[in-house]
Amino acid sequence: SAVISQKPSRDICQRGTSLTIQCQVDSQVTMMFWYRQQPGQSLTLIATANQGSEATYESGFVIDKFPISRPNLTFSTLTVSNMSPEDSSIYLCSVENGGLGQQYFGPGTRLTVT
Amino acid sequence: QKEVEQNSGPLSVPEGAIASLNCTYSDRGSQSFFWYRQYSGKSPELIMFIYSNGDKEDGRFTAQLNKASQYVSLLIRDSQPSDSATYLCAARPTGTASKLTFGTGTRLQVTL
Repeated sequence: SAVISQKPSRDICQRGTSLTIQCQVDSQVTMMFWYRQQPGQSLTLIATANQGSEATYESGFVIDKFPISRPNLTFSTLTVSNMSPEDSSIYLCSVENGGLGQQYFGPGTRLTVT
Repeated sequence: QKEVEQNSGPLSVPEGAIASLNCTYSDRGSQSFFWYRQYSGKSPELIMFIYSNGDKEDGRFTAQLNKASQYVSLLIRDSQPSDSATYLCAARPTGTASKLTFGTGTRLQVTL
C-alpha cells in the first residue's frame, strides 16, 4: 500500500484563524479523500480531492470553510478556515489503492481550537 | 440514507478466545466491504476486505459476507491483548464511485 504522510501531526489554533493540512503520498493515486473524526466518533467524509478540478464536497461541508487543493497525483491540502472550537477534531487524508475501493489512511492531524 | 451499523461495545473477550465482530448494511447493492482496526490515537488501518459471499481468511482474521442477509462479520482467532482496538466496518455502496460508508465502530477489549 502507499505510504502517506500528513503535516502537521497536531496543532493548537485560536478561533478565527485558519490551518492548512498537507497530505503527501509516495506514489501517484487517482482518488484522495479528506475525513474528519471527532472524539469518540466514526469517520465523516468531508470531500473528494480531484486532481485538476474543484473538490467534491459532502453534504454539510462547503468550499469556503474547507478549501481543498490537489495540484498533482501525489499531494493535496485541506484548509480549515475561520476556525471555531467545534472544528476541534482529527483530520485524515486517505487514498484509494486497489481495484475494490480499498482506502488507506494517513496518520492524521489532531486539531484543537481554543 | 445508506447506513452501516455496528454495536459500539465494548466487546470483551479473554485472551486466546475468538472475537466476533458484526456489521449490517442497508444498501443491498453494496459491492465490497472493509474492516479497519484503529488503535486509540492512531489512524484506521485496513486489515481485511471482502466482496464475495462466504469466508475470506488471512492469518488469525476471517471476514464473512452474507449479501442476502446484508451482514458482514470479522472473526479474530486466538485473540491477543494487542488486538484491543476499535474495529470499523465500511461498505462501498452502489453509485458512489469510490466513497466508503463507515460504521461507528466496535471497541474490542481482550483481557488477560
